[in-house]
Amino acid sequence: RKEVEQDPGPFNVPEGATVAFNCTYSNSASQSFFWYRQDCRKEPKLLMSVYSSGNEDGRFTAQLNRASQYISLLIRDSKLSDSATYLCVVLPPSGNTGKLIFGQGTTLQVKP
Amino acid sequence: EPEVTQTPSHQVTQMGQEVILRCVPISNHLYFYWYRQILGQKVEFLVSFYNNEISEKSEIFDDQFSVERPDGSNFTLKIRSTKLEDSAMYFCASSGQTFSGANVLTFGAGSRLTVL
Repeated sequence: RKEVEQDPGPFNVPEGATVAFNCTYSNSASQSFFWYRQDCRKEPKLLMSVYSSGNEDGRFTAQLNRASQYISLLIRDSKLSDSATYLCVVLPPSGNTGKLIFGQGTTLQVKP
Repeated sequence: EPEVTQTPSHQVTQMGQEVILRCVPISNHLYFYWYRQILGQKVEFLVSFYNNEISEKSEIFDDQFSVERPDGSNFTLKIRSTKLEDSAMYFCASSGQTFSGANVLTFGAGSRLTVL
């Protein structure tokens, strides 16, 4: 089983749609969880951290289910500018050395 | 907004040559990293660096790789004898004004390495 697994997509949605991405991770002792966004041939940029209680930042909602080792990202009212690859990222239990484990990414294409 | 800067943005080299990629992390950050991304693949951890020593390295980071913080601002990745499979985008990152902030990384724009 891959350490961090995502559906690669692509997800093609119209503007205004709601879209959800899922991610699973293999190590139940993983410490922290994040969603990063990566535009084509650019660096990953932190979108949001994922907290156990779930958290929201504007149109973006992240959820964590530790029992199922599952993370989700919901984007409401999609904008053209949301088109990017969304990376599920996990901090393994090896300690705070900044070794992040990245998923392959899920590509979102928002169309007019 | 503070940023991590990397040079060069693109380097083309012949197999077997040495390459040095340079990075200037955010000035008050304490933790420094190199990641790489082969075209079409996921971002992979190479090495983390704290307090002037390597904190952790991956199996990719073999004897051909080394890192250095030669002065108070630069952080370099050296590949001694490049191989074709070293062709990738190399991302420098930094984090952590405090220990609790160590895991929120800011990435540089990357250095694209092409080995011929």
